[in-house]
Amino acid sequence: SAVISQKPSRDICQRGTSLTIQCQVDSQVTMMFWYRQQPGQSLTLIATANQGSEATYESGFVIDKFPISRPNLTFSTLTVSNMSPEDSSIYLCSVEQGFPYNEQFFGPGTRLTVL
Amino acid sequence: GDSVTQMEGPVTLSEEAFLTINCTYTATGYPSLFWYVQYPGEGLQLLLKATKADDKGSNKGFEATYRKETTSFHLEKGSVQVSDSAVYFCALGHSGYSTLTFGKGTMLLVSP
Repeated sequence: SAVISQKPSRDICQRGTSLTIQCQVDSQVTMMFWYRQQPGQSLTLIATANQGSEATYESGFVIDKFPISRPNLTFSTLTVSNMSPEDSSIYLCSVEQGFPYNEQFFGPGTRLTVL
Repeated sequence: GDSVTQMEGPVTLSEEAFLTINCTYTATGYPSLFWYVQYPGEGLQLLLKATKADDKGSNKGFEATYRKETTSFHLEKGSVQVSDSAVYFCALGHSGYSTLTFGKGTMLLVSP
């Protein structure tokens, strides 16, 4: 199974600023995913990131607010831009292994609080 | 579209009690089904999975059987421990499509 690390593990940020979250995987993977978990809620997929192409965003999420980079097969970043308190969430990256059974492995998450 | 419905929590049990967390789903075709667990302050971990009807997934004393006739994948454990206190998520996915659909999660609290 893939081992995934995220940085930072948590942060407290001021309204209007931006935060970039890093996701590192210990093996090469084609697809990486970014999820948001708002307090007391389930996971919501933000976008899918393939190496060498633009990320694909889910309904309700836009590139200007959540720009994503995927420079290689083991790394991705998610930026939360122009933050507001509503962006306070846990942000998780995940990767898929074991095709075709969609087994996903998750990073430990980044707990973001926006004041 | 696909959806997953879980029983609302929190579920509060005493140590060594029997656990059931209900999960039902709506999906086209033949999805794979998963249970993920999230311990306090941590990310999600895959607990168990089942990829076809009548499959039983099991891990760490937890079990769930893929019931296509009732579109269910209930999580069970015969004797819970305090260390099982966590949030449990039921999810489904389709072969060839990478995204998963999650339920809202059920918090389990086990007291000594």
